[in-house]
Amino acid sequence: GAGVSQSPSNKVTEKGKDVELRCDPISGHTALYWYRQSLGQGLEFLIYFQGNSAPDKSGLPSDRFSAERTGGSVSTLTIQRTQQEDSAVYLCASSSNRGGYTDTQYFGPGTRLTVL
Amino acid sequence: KNQVEQSPQSLIILEGKNCTLQCNYTVSPFSNLRWYKQDTGRGPVSLTIMTFSENTKSNGRYTATLDADTKQSSLHITASQLSDSASYICVVSASTGGFKTIFGAGTRLFVKA
Repeated sequence: GAGVSQSPSNKVTEKGKDVELRCDPISGHTALYWYRQSLGQGLEFLIYFQGNSAPDKSGLPSDRFSAERTGGSVSTLTIQRTQQEDSAVYLCASSSNRGGYTDTQYFGPGTRLTVL
Repeated sequence: KNQVEQSPQSLIILEGKNCTLQCNYTVSPFSNLRWYKQDTGRGPVSLTIMTFSENTKSNGRYTATLDADTKQSSLHITASQLSDSASYICVVSASTGGFKTIFGAGTRLFVKA
């Protein structure tokens, strides 16, 4: 079946511009997560959705970052006024049930963001 | 402070050999530990997931162990193949009222012919 998809696969933008990254989770998965992976670094948790609500936004690095999820499915991560330190691979994952604890998270291929 | 530390940072082995990757954590209260494989340029793929009561779990040539008392886990790869070359990431979740997951920095494994 279809896995988690993300778009675009690559995004190059100029410093100060806004970008939107999209995630399509596996159909029926209620939990959705956004992570960031900088070059040579481990994964960094950004935000977690259960349905359309975000019980944990603790990982968002600044108020320039926001995310929403509509219809319990597609999610969009928005970065405003991008900075060079925002350059990273942004990964989305989804899981089926309660989310967060024992459920396997299935990851998308990621969006590679480069801020010039 | 919740932390997950993995060792070694990188490892080179010959095809067909076995290897063991280590993960030490201080995440509390512990909920579960997962191992992921991440090929270059791809998203992580789940290998195993273990809760507090589980000491070992296998997935083909991958066997993960968990010692919740010492807060250590290992991932053993048997009869390595070239396709095992990847980063292996240890992930520990805490059973707080909210969602708390800590990722290790990963071990980069290179399998050579």
